[in-house]
Amino acid sequence: SQTIHQWPATLVQPVGSPLSLECTVEGTSNPNLYWYRQAAGRGLQLLFYSVGIGQISSEVPQNLSASRPQDRQFILSSKKLLLSDSGFYLCAWSVGASGETQYFGPGTRLLVL
Amino acid sequence: SQKIEQNSEALNIQEGKTATLTCNYTNYSPAYLQWYRQDPGRGPVFLLLIRENEKEKRKERLKVTFDTTLKQSLFHITASQPADSATYLCALGQGSNTGKLIFGQGTTLQVKP
Repeated sequence: SQTIHQWPATLVQPVGSPLSLECTVEGTSNPNLYWYRQAAGRGLQLLFYSVGIGQISSEVPQNLSASRPQDRQFILSSKKLLLSDSGFYLCAWSVGASGETQYFGPGTRLLVL
Repeated sequence: SQKIEQNSEALNIQEGKTATLTCNYTNYSPAYLQWYRQDPGRGPVFLLLIRENEKEKRKERLKVTFDTTLKQSLFHITASQPADSATYLCALGQGSNTGKLIFGQGTTLQVKP
């Protein structure tokens, strides 16, 4: 069966510090991968998606970047965090090329102070 | 621009009653619509998918309708239970190979015993 992992679960970082959040998927090959951010009481905002290794599409201009160094690894990064980067970050995957349903990880709660 | 609206006010109902949640959208022609459940501090979990050529779909106590003329989906939970208390998100997809979804902001359901 497929599983998706995210870490860390919680992170408190000072403004201006770097960020690296990791997501890995097990039990599937060539998935589509997604990074979302959810502000408190709000819906999911799609940040990045990837249909293959090294292929990253950005949905909104922002202070963040994403990379996919391996088939089942998706990384969200920032060189300098802003207060507005605080939120709940969710990674998700779907079956590549035909996937409709998305399967979400447990999320990382980021607080920038 | 594309817009999805869910009732931002929490829905409070008595145990045993039917809960009905609404999802409206504009400037979009989805190939399918999905409903997800999200518990506090957790990632969303897929519940149901309904396609543009389907009017209704059922799964156990859940029923979804999809009216592409009204651009609306209704999500029903019959014989509701306190364990059904959660936030419910609707999401629209166009069936592209990216599997991208656009999510509504969610409606929180509270079922009282």
